[in-house]
Amino acid sequence: KQEVTQIPAALSVPEGENLVLNCSFTDSAIYNLQWFRQDPGKGLTSLLLIQSSQREQTSGRLNASLDKSSGRSTLYIAASQPGDSATYLCAGGGTSYGKLTFGQGTILTVHP
Amino acid sequence: GAVVSQHPSWVICKSGTSVKIECRSLDFQATTMFWYRQFPKQSLMLMATSNEGSKATYEQGVEKDKFLINHASLTLSTLTVTSAHPEDSSFYICSARDLAGGPAGELFFGEGSRLTVL
Repeated sequence: KQEVTQIPAALSVPEGENLVLNCSFTDSAIYNLQWFRQDPGKGLTSLLLIQSSQREQTSGRLNASLDKSSGRSTLYIAASQPGDSATYLCAGGGTSYGKLTFGQGTILTVHP
Repeated sequence: GAVVSQHPSWVICKSGTSVKIECRSLDFQATTMFWYRQFPKQSLMLMATSNEGSKATYEQGVEKDKFLINHASLTLSTLTVTSAHPEDSSFYICSARDLAGGPAGELFFGEGSRLTVL
C-alpha cells in the first residue's frame, strides 16, 4: 500500500526566499506524481505533473523533481511571494485505475 | 487546464436527510471519476472510484449504502450521502481524468462541496 509523507508540515518564510518542499513515497511503482495547491476552504489546483519516466517538470517559478529509486519528490519555489501562501499537497498515482494517494500537506506562509 | 465543476459548493442539512453532490467535467470526457473526503486540517482520503456505466469501487471502510455513487454519463458523477449524520460533515472533493490522457493523465479537481449536518 502506497504511503506518502510530506516534510515539513508547516513552513514560514520571508518574501523573496527560495524554498523546497519534500515528499516521499513508499512504493516506487507509481505512474506519476502530482503536486497541488489548496487554498483554505477550496479545492485543489494542479501545479505540476511528473510522469514516472520523467525526472522533473517546471512551470514559472516552480520546479518539481522525481527520484523513483529513492522514493522522493521535491517542489522548489523560487522567489516566494505572499500569494504563494497555501497548503501544498503531493500525491502519487498508483497503477490501479490511476488513483492518487495524498500526503498530509505542507502549510506554507510567506510573510511580506 | 480542464475544468471540473462541483455543485453545491456548500450545503447544510438536518440529520437523517439525504444530500446529493454533483461532479461534472465541463470540457472533457471522463470514464472514471474519484470521490475524496477531507476532514479539517487533514489530507484527502479516497472514498471511491466512480466508473461510467458500472458500479463504483469503494475503498476499505467506506459504506457503499451510505455513500451512493452514480456515474450515468461521461461527464457527470453524483455522490449521495444517505441519512446524513453530524459525523458525515466534511469537505467532499471529486476529481476526473481526461479520457484522452490515459491512466497516467493529469487529474483535475473540483472546488469541493462542504457538507454540514446539524
